Amino acid sequence: DAGVIQSPRHEVTEMGQEVTLRCKPISGHDYLFWYRQTMMRGLELLIYFNNNVPIDDSGMPEDRFSAKMPNASFSTLKIQPSEPRDSAVYFCASSFWTGGRYEQYFGPGTRLTVT
Amino acid sequence: SQQGEEDPQALSIQEGENATMNCSYKTSINNLQWYRQNSGRGLVHLILIRSNEREKHSGRLRVTLDTSKKSSSLLITASRAADTASYFCATATFFGNEKLTFGTGTRLTIIP
Repeated sequence: DAGVIQSPRHEVTEMGQEVTLRCKPISGHDYLFWYRQTMMRGLELLIYFNNNVPIDDSGMPEDRFSAKMPNASFSTLKIQPSEPRDSAVYFCASSFWTGGRYEQYFGPGTRLTVT
Repeated sequence: SQQGEEDPQALSIQEGENATMNCSYKTSINNLQWYRQNSGRGLVHLILIRSNEREKHSGRLRVTLDTSKKSSSLLITASRAADTASYFCATATFFGNEKLTFGTGTRLTIIP
């Protein structure tokens, strides 16, 4: 298995632009998580899905952030409009929790820089 | 706020020595997990210990859990240069335990 795939790996954009991050979870996994990592705040859970349905989005910082999971093999995290404080590494992770496997598998991350 | 707090924040040891990292948490847990993150990479799961377990081993890793003190420790024996990374503990509560809350991490440097 290729593991969790994220794209792009790096994104540099100007303030006010729309940014879309993409994630392909491991096939067969039923949970998908989006995290943000910064030096100041560490690793924060933004939102997670179970079988494509959003379960908890309490970590989404504000309305500029939105996430979708249209099918079991694809999810997006969108920031519109982007701001410099959104600069961070965004990780997607998946797990097969229902199958009794509680560990999460992380993608390589997308490093977002907003200028 | 962070559920887990690792201690120390940074640790440097000579290759071949043992490295011990500690994690404290605040609420009751279902399980506790340790992850490693190499620079510029995603986190990798190392080991999971359930709330009814006290100790677990995996290769050169030994994890202990003391639920009365709400703390866990990760021991890496016979360290290698490749062990240089950041190590995070993550906790899952009994309700909504499919999601994890990560600690602040320990930066481990192995000196060859």
